Amino acid sequence: DAGVTQSPTHLIKTRGQHVTLRCSPISGHKSVSWYQQVLGQGPQFIFQYYEKEERGRGNFPDRFSARQFPNYSSELNVNALLLGDSALYLCASSVRFSGANVLTFGAGSRLTVL
Amino acid sequence: AQTVTQSQPEMSVQEAETVTLSCTYDTSESDYYLFWYKQPPSRQMILVIRQEAYKQQNATENRFSVNFQKAAKSFSLKISDSQLGDAAMYFCAYRSADGGGADGLTFGKGTHLIIQP
Repeated sequence: DAGVTQSPTHLIKTRGQHVTLRCSPISGHKSVSWYQQVLGQGPQFIFQYYEKEERGRGNFPDRFSARQFPNYSSELNVNALLLGDSALYLCASSVRFSGANVLTFGAGSRLTVL
Repeated sequence: AQTVTQSQPEMSVQEAETVTLSCTYDTSESDYYLFWYKQPPSRQMILVIRQEAYKQQNATENRFSVNFQKAAKSFSLKISDSQLGDAAMYFCAYRSADGGGADGLTFGKGTHLIIQP
């Protein structure tokens, strides 16, 4: 079975642009979460979706948005990019969204903002 | 809000030796989950071990075990018989059992583990 897949793996944008990152969960997983990992830091929680509904949101500005599709894949959108948005964006999936569920992570999308 | 602290930015151990990585956390909740994740240079976070706060027994997974001290809010990871493949960043993480875990995982800053051959 394929694991959590993310695309693109690397991308470079300039300040003010918009970016869309994509995530396909493990088959059978209905919950997708997004995390931002700045270099040298641990990941920070951005969003959690379950059954196409937002179930949790971290402390990120409204420039960050996400959605989950009927096939449980997900997109993370970031508008008006800032230099500080440069990071590794990790997607994780789980069967459900309860605290007990183990998250399986993808390899991430490395975003560089110039 | 919960916080997770990993006080060791870097640890080094000889191959086949034992190493312990430290983690403390701050929470007012009584029910929660604690995790150790490993992140090799490939960037993918891999679950090492999980502990439910309501369980007094320390979790064990092969060469990996934890020392969970709930009153002290401490959750250390012991790696026995260290192997070269254990070299990675190790992150301690907390997740609330309340609210369906909607707050996601709270991670520490990580410990870089070096294995000396």
